[in-house]
Order: sequence, then structure tokens, then C-alpha cells
Amino acid sequence: DAGITQSPRHKVTETGTPVTLRCHQTENHRYMYWYRQDPGHGLRLIHYSYGVKDTDKGEVSDGYSVSRSKTEDFLLTLESATSSQTSVYFCAISRLAGIGELFFGEGSRLTVL
Amino acid sequence: QQPVQSPQAVILREGEDAVINCSSSKALYSVHWYRQKHGEAPVFLMILLKGGEQKGHEKISASFNEKKQQSSLYLTASQLSYSGTYFCGTEASLSAGGTSYGKLTFGQGTILTVHP
Repeated sequence: DAGITQSPRHKVTETGTPVTLRCHQTENHRYMYWYRQDPGHGLRLIHYSYGVKDTDKGEVSDGYSVSRSKTEDFLLTLESATSSQTSVYFCAISRLAGIGELFFGEGSRLTVL
Repeated sequence: QQPVQSPQAVILREGEDAVINCSSSKALYSVHWYRQKHGEAPVFLMILLKGGEQKGHEKISASFNEKKQQSSLYLTASQLSYSGTYFCGTEASLSAGGTSYGKLTFGQGTILTVHP
């Protein structure tokens, strides 16, 4: 199994509070991604990284920011959580962009009350 | 824009075959297929690159028609373990606005249920 861990795995928070989800990998893969999964929508890309300090937006990036200061860590921050951000968040890593498989973390379930 | 998967759901008996389709409105560079069981992370099945090559292993194979921007996943002689939600993920070609960073756009999923 690919060495990828997400934390926290479950979190309940209130509207307006900041939240940070962490993705940690031990594979030294260059590419890292944050997806959210909601019923009926499949997986939607929030942000991705193609190297340390190199990040870009995905299709649903509003309300989210990311940082990658080390190869192994990719942080997803909700500056002010809203109920619409209640979701399951998956981090994924890949060694070869596009032609390499994605390895997914176990997911982080976030509930915003 | 999300690729469209069909059907949305399939119910099979063990041993039956199924086909899941994935269609995109954009020219594609690659198509990925993943399976996700309830409460778990998606797991990689296979990648197809433009060129129409059919790939597979064991009883699961797939094809990619780049001219039609379509891919199909073939599950032969289904087993109980095949149950789950299947997702295709597509990456647009550079000419269609894609990047070289592996930005996949996933379909909404196809729920496959295999009964004994």
C-alpha cells in the first residue's frame, strides 16, 4: 500500500471556523491532489501540487487554499468553513502525472454545522 | 466538464458480464478507471492512453476510442468482490485545455452490485 495518510480522519466544526486537513506521504511522489466527494458528484478536484511550493487550482477551489512546503506534506485549509463544505476529502498522490495511477488516502470526513 | 458515465447503476448475478461507459466532450489524453467500495478510498484499476489500446487484467478490461472520446470498462464473469462504485477519470489533451499535471476530471460514478 502507498504510504499516504490523512489527518484528521473525522472532524466536526462550526460555520466560520478555520479548518486544516493534512496529507502526508512517504513515497516521495511529486504530484499531490485534494479532491472532495459528494453524493451524485463523484470526485471533484480542489487544488493540486506539482512540486514544493508549486500549486494550482482545480475545478472547485473557491473557499479553499493549499500549501506545500515539503515534498511529503500537502495541506488543505478552509479559511472560514461553511456548511456547503461538508464533505469527504480525499488526498491523492501520483509519481507520473497523467500516466501514473493515483493512490488515494483513506479520506477525511468533515462536517460543518 | 465532467465525463458522463452510463449506466448509473447495474445489478448482476455472479458470473454475468457488465459494461460501463464513459464519455467526454473534450479530446482526451488519458482515461483512468477506479473502483470504490463503500466507506473506502478509490482504488486504481487501469489507465488507457490515446491510441485506442485495450488493456486489462484477469476479467476486467477496458478500451479507449480517442476519436469519440469514449472509454468502456468490461467486467467479465462478475464476482461478488466486483461490487462497488466505478469511476472514470479523464485528462484532457493539451489541445483541449489539459495540462501535463495529471488533473483528472471524474465521472459521477456507476454503482455495480453483484448478487450470489
